[in-house]
Amino acid sequence: EVQLVESGGGLVQPGGSLRLSCAASGFTFSSYSMNWVRQAPGKGLEWVSYISSSSSTIYYADSVKGRFTISRDNAKNSLYLQMNSLRAEDTAVYYCARVPVAGTSWFDPWGQGTLVTVSS
Amino acid sequence: QAGLTQPPSVSKGLRQTATLTCTGNSNNVGNQGAAWLQQHQGHPPKLLSYRNNNRPSGISERLSASRSGNTASLTITGLQPEDEADYYCSAWDSSLSALVFGGGTKLTVL
Repeated sequence: EVQLVESGGGLVQPGGSLRLSCAASGFTFSSYSMNWVRQAPGKGLEWVSYISSSSSTIYYADSVKGRFTISRDNAKNSLYLQMNSLRAEDTAVYYCARVPVAGTSWFDPWGQGTLVTVSS
Repeated sequence: QAGLTQPPSVSKGLRQTATLTCTGNSNNVGNQGAAWLQQHQGHPPKLLSYRNNNRPSGISERLSASRSGNTASLTITGLQPEDEADYYCSAWDSSLSALVFGGGTKLTVL
């Protein structure tokens, strides 16, 4: 079964840092591009970042550029999101999601998400 | 980054047909088409349709998607109580090098 499990969320003060992880199983992780998407409480979906299978191509949303860093370890079947200089508006459930077909932009499956709360 | 435009809410009766719309521009929906996602309260999104009208395995045949110009549509026939959920469209924007989502449509089945 294809599965994505996020971890690393929690409560952090404004200006602080947090590192999210996404553990992949049930498929050849190194062959797939991955994304992070977030959803603020009661709000819609917001794309955060994309990383290609080999890490050669990376994109960020303007709202996180310069503060967040996406990375992956194909040997560990894991995706990461390093979040620095966190703001209240970064409070959200963060999902990792796979790109099932190379060169496309739809995501399947999605993980269950991990909640990040930025508050003093 | 500008997103796609979806109506905030749609209400239809049981066993009726609902059509949800998603409007973008030539750099996103008009270029590569849209994907549709369903999200029930408290659950992660689930892919319903991609590249305009392709359904992943296990997705009901009551769902169909299409595109006309810069507008994508998702049609759900024979509405059931379990169809009540939030629906999002998404597309890659080639001018922004970013994925954009619609604001979501809350579908209520009366």
